[in-house]
Amino acid sequence: GENVEQHPSTLSVQEGDSAVIKCTYSDSASNYFPWYKQELGKRPQLIIDIRSNVGEKKDQRIAVTLNKTAKHFSLHITETQPEDSAVYFCAGLRNKLVFGAGTILRVKS
Amino acid sequence: DAGVIQSPRHEVTEMGQEVTLRCKPISGHDYLFWYRQTMMRGLELLIYFNNNVPIDDSGMPEDRFSAKMPNASFSTLKIQPSEPRDSAVYFCASSYNEKLFFGSGTQLSVL
Repeated sequence: GENVEQHPSTLSVQEGDSAVIKCTYSDSASNYFPWYKQELGKRPQLIIDIRSNVGEKKDQRIAVTLNKTAKHFSLHITETQPEDSAVYFCAGLRNKLVFGAGTILRVKS
Repeated sequence: DAGVIQSPRHEVTEMGQEVTLRCKPISGHDYLFWYRQTMMRGLELLIYFNNNVPIDDSGMPEDRFSAKMPNASFSTLKIQPSEPRDSAVYFCASSYNEKLFFGSGTQLSVL
């Protein structure tokens, strides 16, 4: 089955800097890759997603890139703000959505 | 739409008791998922349904766990008997066109 690995497990950045979180997946047939943000004590919420026929997608300060050959995808957050502090999960879908272990992002003001 | 609705928000019970978690998916969504979240194991998929039919229950940890979806607007996850190691946050999620939306979760504590 699908296996998704996520790095780093924790990431601290200064407010205004960029943050990058990377994920690799094992199943080349996976075709959908969402990113979720989970604030403390709350539910995971979808922030951006990408399908396998697209290489990059952007929504304001966040972007996702996909490299199908290397089987990895990344989340990019520019101009980070304190409210970006949360746990971020990547996931890969073939028949079912499999999540990475999560990255704790801390934005220091 | 009110989103995915789960109840109860918090459940505290004693070991050996039966626990029932409830979920109402978003209207029109054809998939429903039950996940369990712990610090040690992250987000684990327990079971998912498509059009009310269980498709994959390979993530259900033991026979103590069971899930049903009697109609398109209601699902339950039951643990009987409960054990302390079942303590976790249980999320229900529903999806349409692959986009997954989570409920607020049930924080389960088994003493």
